[in-house]
Amino acid sequence: SQKIEQNSEALNIQEGKTATLTCNYTNYSPAYLQWYRQDPGRGPVFLLLIRENEKEKRKERLKVTFDTTLKQSLFHITASQPADSATYLCALAPGQNFVFGPGTRLSVLP
Amino acid sequence: NAGVTQTPKFRVLKTGQSMTLLCAQDMNHEYMYWYRQDPGMGLRLIHYSVGEGTTAKGEVPDGYNVSRLKKQNFLLGLESAAPSQTSVYFCASRGELFYHNEQFFGPGTRLTVL
Repeated sequence: SQKIEQNSEALNIQEGKTATLTCNYTNYSPAYLQWYRQDPGRGPVFLLLIRENEKEKRKERLKVTFDTTLKQSLFHITASQPADSATYLCALAPGQNFVFGPGTRLSVLP
Repeated sequence: NAGVTQTPKFRVLKTGQSMTLLCAQDMNHEYMYWYRQDPGMGLRLIHYSVGEGTTAKGEVPDGYNVSRLKKQNFLLGLESAAPSQTSVYFCASRGELFYHNEQFFGPGTRLTVL
């Protein structure tokens, strides 16, 4: 069956460290993968997109990798700050629509 | 430029009642989506539209209907609400260029069915 998993429901890290979030999928062949940030009580906000033929994408303190052989994407936040605390969602685009993972709630502790 | 707006923000229904959720976008996007979000389950696609006058079923369409009579609006209807439809509902839209497009989400509607 098709499945998307994100490494853990919650992740706590110390301010200044690098946060690494994982998105694993099975039985999909996505053309690309997206990462979104969601704050409590609000809709998701797009962060980054990476295509199947790209290995890595960067935007400021954010970095995304995409390994279609391992069927995995890693999302890194370097020099993390308390303001980075939120839920992060990965989304696959195997076709016209999007399939979302359950999310990882990141807490950056001061 | 308001982006994607949703009305209402909150609603409480009794079992069997009906209601319509309205989504509006001002970005001239072709694609619009309705999702529901439940704890631990992520966002699940209910229905979507690829243009004015079109609709299609997503992953969890049962108990819902939709209409896209105008390009900027996408309506989600519950004809006979059930407690299992208690959830947070999000609308999203995106433009046509598939490989470059992000989804823009509305603020959500929190629905409780008693």
